[in-house]
Amino acid sequence: DVQLVQSGAEVKKPGESLKISCKGSGDSLTNYWIGWVRQMPGKGLEWMGIVDIGDSDTRYSPSFQGQVTISADKSISTAYLQWSSLKASDTAMYYCARFLQLGDGFDIWGQGTMITVSS
Amino acid sequence: DIQMTQSPSSLSVSVGDRVTITCRTSQSISTYLNWYQQKPGKAPQLLIYAASSLQSGVPSRFSGSGSGTDFTLTISTLQPEDFATYYCQQSYSIPLTFGGGTKVEIK
Repeated sequence: DVQLVQSGAEVKKPGESLKISCKGSGDSLTNYWIGWVRQMPGKGLEWMGIVDIGDSDTRYSPSFQGQVTISADKSISTAYLQWSSLKASDTAMYYCARFLQLGDGFDIWGQGTMITVSS
Repeated sequence: DIQMTQSPSSLSVSVGDRVTITCRTSQSISTYLNWYQQKPGKAPQLLIYAASSLQSGVPSRFSGSGSGTDFTLTISTLQPEDFATYYCQQSYSIPLTFGGGTKVEIK
């Protein structure tokens, strides 16, 4: 079965940098897009952006443009989400999810990565 | 950006009830509308894609309908495992936006 496996939970201080990952197992992600979704504690789902694993074409939500960087490494079927300077307000669960083409739903989700930013 | 308005935000129901959740978009999205279920502490799961297509492995008591700006998710006979939060999401244009969620609770 295809799975998306995300990197583990992180506890960071404000101002620190961070890069989390989402790796496809059981199948190549080359033909897919990977999206990142934020869920703040007790809140709903927010779409952050997407990356085409095959050519690293990236699109961002205006709400997250400039706040995070999304990237991919096709050779290892992995997508990344990174921050250069974390804030306390970045504390949230972050999910990656797969879709084949624009218009499709996210059919496979990672287990989530909890990021806690606290001084 | 396309705005998504889900209603109600929560509802209290009993096992065996019929449940209807609506999602309205700020502009027409044809049938580019998906529904997800999220249980506490778990990742969301795709239930319905393209407004009315049932994702593989999802029970047939779940159904979706609508096109344009108005969409509905229906659970025909609520089961104990269906108590969860449900989200709609448009896949018509970027940014891909989610509705605010509907929490289905036990009465």
